[in-house]
This record gives sequence, structure tokens and C-alpha cells, in this order.
Amino acid sequence: NAGVTQTPKFRVLKTGQSMTLLCAQDMNHEYMYWYRQDPGMGLRLIHYSVGEGTTAKGEVPDGYNVSRLKKQNFLLGLESAAPSQTSVYFCASRGTGTDTQYFGPGTRLTVL
Amino acid sequence: KNEVEQSPQNLTAQEGEFITINCSYSVGISALHWLQQHPGGGIVSLFMLSSGKKKHGRLIATINIQEKHSSLHITASHPRDSAVYICAGNQFYFGTGTSLTVIP
Repeated sequence: NAGVTQTPKFRVLKTGQSMTLLCAQDMNHEYMYWYRQDPGMGLRLIHYSVGEGTTAKGEVPDGYNVSRLKKQNFLLGLESAAPSQTSVYFCASRGTGTDTQYFGPGTRLTVL
Repeated sequence: KNEVEQSPQNLTAQEGEFITINCSYSVGISALHWLQQHPGGGIVSLFMLSSGKKKHGRLIATINIQEKHSSLHITASHPRDSAVYICAGNQFYFGTGTSLTVIP
């Protein structure tokens, strides 16, 4: 099993460009999460999903959209990137009936 | 104000020392998690606690629900324990982490 994978690992964008981050898990987990991690601020929840076809807002959802069309994939979109979105993005998943999260390796995004 | 506060922010220890990292939270949670973030950035879940105490190898985690406080202890610390340790309430409230360096 690959666990949780994220694509891409690194990306540099210019202000106003758009992109999609892909999170994939092969553990048949119901729950999936997108976080951002900034120096001195810890992890913050952007959006999450409790199952295929569902999404919900977290603590810092503005400027991001998500989709969960397939159970194994959770996409995070930036429609018009801003320098404030420069961060490391982590995806995580969790199975039903357990509280253990499995994290992806992270995507380092820089917006110039 | 952070819903989850950790102390200390930074900790340096000699190999073999007993280490304690503290976590206090101000929100109602059903589970308190301890995570380890390696120097390379990867994050691993160590413990999930809803009450009492859990032990895994040299790591021990405790929680006091009434006092809204949890501790992570590392016995016989080793340089490979050097990492950032993060506590989190459910999957929504995260502390800023404690950076641990264990010196040989």
C-alpha cells in the first residue's frame, strides 16, 4: 500500500495563477483532510470530507475549493493564487471507527 | 488565542534523559492526538487518547480530562527522537509544536 500520496511535491506559482493539489489514499478511508502549515502557526484545517461526494469548511477555507468525486481522491484547488497562500500543504485520511490519521508527505507551494 | 497550547516550544536534552512535553486545551474535544513531525517534514500519528494513559515503547502519553491537559513523556531519550511533537484536539485544533533536540 502506498498510504497517502500527494501530487505535486513542490510548485511555484505566480500571483493569480490557478492549480490543483491531488491527494490520493489507498486505504479505503472515509475521512480526508487538507491542512496548511506555516511557521509558528501549526497546522490549520482548510477543508475536510466525511465521505465521497461530501466536503466541509475548516478553519481557513477562503481562497480554496475542494472536491471529493472519488472516495480515494481529495482535490484542493486554488483559483487565483495569492502570496498569502505560500505554505506547506498536508493531506490526511482516517478510517471509520478509528481516530488515527495518516498524513501525506506534503506539498511545498510558493506563490510569487 | 490558541485553543491548544504546548510547552515548551523548544527543548534540548542529553541522550538518556527523561523528557516531558505538555499540552493544554481550552475547547471540548473527544480525542487528543500526539503527532511526530520528522526533520524531513513527514508527520506520523503517535497516540490518540480520550482518557487515562497509553504506552508505546519508550513513549507514554497521559490525559486529564477534567484539567484539559495532556503530557507526552519520552523515557531514555535518543537522538533519533529529535523531531517536532504536536498535540491536536480531534482533527481540528493543533498546537504549534514542541521542537525536541536530543544530543548524543
